[in-house]
Amino acid sequence: QTVVTQEASFSVSPGGTVTLTCGLSSGSVSTSYYPSWYQQTPGQAPRTLIYNTNTRSSGVPDRFSGSILGIKAALTITGAQADDECDYYCVLYMGSGIWVFGGGTKLTVL
Amino acid sequence: QVQLVESGGGVVQPGRSLRLSCAASGFTFSSYGMHWVRQAPGKGLEWVAVISFDGSSKYYADSVKGRFTISRDNSKNTLYLQMNSLRSGDTAVYYCARALGPKLGRYFDYWGQGSLVTVSS
Repeated sequence: QTVVTQEASFSVSPGGTVTLTCGLSSGSVSTSYYPSWYQQTPGQAPRTLIYNTNTRSSGVPDRFSGSILGIKAALTITGAQADDECDYYCVLYMGSGIWVFGGGTKLTVL
Repeated sequence: QVQLVESGGGVVQPGRSLRLSCAASGFTFSSYGMHWVRQAPGKGLEWVAVISFDGSSKYYADSVKGRFTISRDNSKNTLYLQMNSLRSGDTAVYYCARALGPKLGRYFDYWGQGSLVTVSS
């Protein structure tokens, strides 16, 4: 059973830069897993941030960027703002019609 | 604009059935694959099922395989999730999401607001 790993929590200072990662319990994440990233504030539906590793969804500011860093997918937020404080989820396509979400990262801006 | 509106949630006893609907508007529904994703209270997102644009391909998470059925009616622009043999572990907010990419897509782009399903005696 493949597990998609994310940091449980992360903290960043206002105006700072933070990189959240998305890995596999076994193996490396590559573009072949079509990594994508979603933002969710409490009580709200998820919002699509990044798809196809590094393509920003419509309306997403360029403070958010996606990449592959080493063996993981990564979401980098530059110039962190107070309203970036929420949960971030990655999801990987495993092939054969199966997707697996990471456990999510709770980002604190303080 | 793209809109996805889920309905059909509620409280149901363990072992019973429930059908969720997702009404789509603002895009050509019959051209897109669609997903169901759920979120248990206080937990993360869990992918549940996907259906291709024409309904010919369907895939499920192991946790629901054999109990849940995804389907669609392109004439009504509606996606469905038939949930049978419900368990307490199925308690969650269920979101429908549009697939981005060919056939099944590879990503989710638009999301509904969710429908809460509570399985409890």
